[in-house]
Amino acid sequence: DAGVTQSPTHLIKTRGQQVTLRCSPKSGHDTVSWYQQALGQGPQFIFQYYEEEERQRGNFPDRFSGHQFPNYSSELNVNALLLGDSALYLCASSLDGRLGTGELFFGEGSRLTVL
Amino acid sequence: LAKTTQPISMDSYEGQEVNITCSHNNIATNDYITWYQQFPSQGPRFIIQGYKTKVTNEVASLFIPADRKSSTLSLPRVSLSDTAVYYCLVGVPYNQGGKLIFGQGTELSVKP
Repeated sequence: DAGVTQSPTHLIKTRGQQVTLRCSPKSGHDTVSWYQQALGQGPQFIFQYYEEEERQRGNFPDRFSGHQFPNYSSELNVNALLLGDSALYLCASSLDGRLGTGELFFGEGSRLTVL
Repeated sequence: LAKTTQPISMDSYEGQEVNITCSHNNIATNDYITWYQQFPSQGPRFIIQGYKTKVTNEVASLFIPADRKSSTLSLPRVSLSDTAVYYCLVGVPYNQGGKLIFGQGTELSVKP
């Protein structure tokens, strides 16, 4: 049973460029959330996708956008990159519904460096 | 959203029991308390979740007093591999339409 997979694992961009990160959720999961984790900090919630729509959003500018596909996979897009966007970007999947704990399953992350 | 406060760091030795306490004075009625563990360069991993009293699984125990304004994660007989950052989260779980906010976490260092 494959867990959450993210790609690419590492990438380097320059200021002003755009980046797309990809995530495949754990088999059977229908909800995908994205987090940004700067060095030495806890993960910061960016947004959550369910049924191909953004359901929740954290305190991030519109430069951060996303998409969820019919197969539940998701993309995170960041435009006009800033140096401060350098971080580990984590994708987490979960199963919606009122059964269980709502446990999040995280991927290994995509390490973005902006120069 | 309820804010959490937990120690920045803790030290322990192999074989000891470790208790990490988290304060959440403004926890709401619908909020659950969830703990995650994170190793360097990996995504966080779910440890345990509870609403009140005590919850125990194969990895840890979670103690929640009646007023729910704090909680304690208990790790029995820690080993070197338990060295990680531990996050206390308070909120409505995702599967109930909520979102969970991570704080700075507690960096646990287990020594031989």
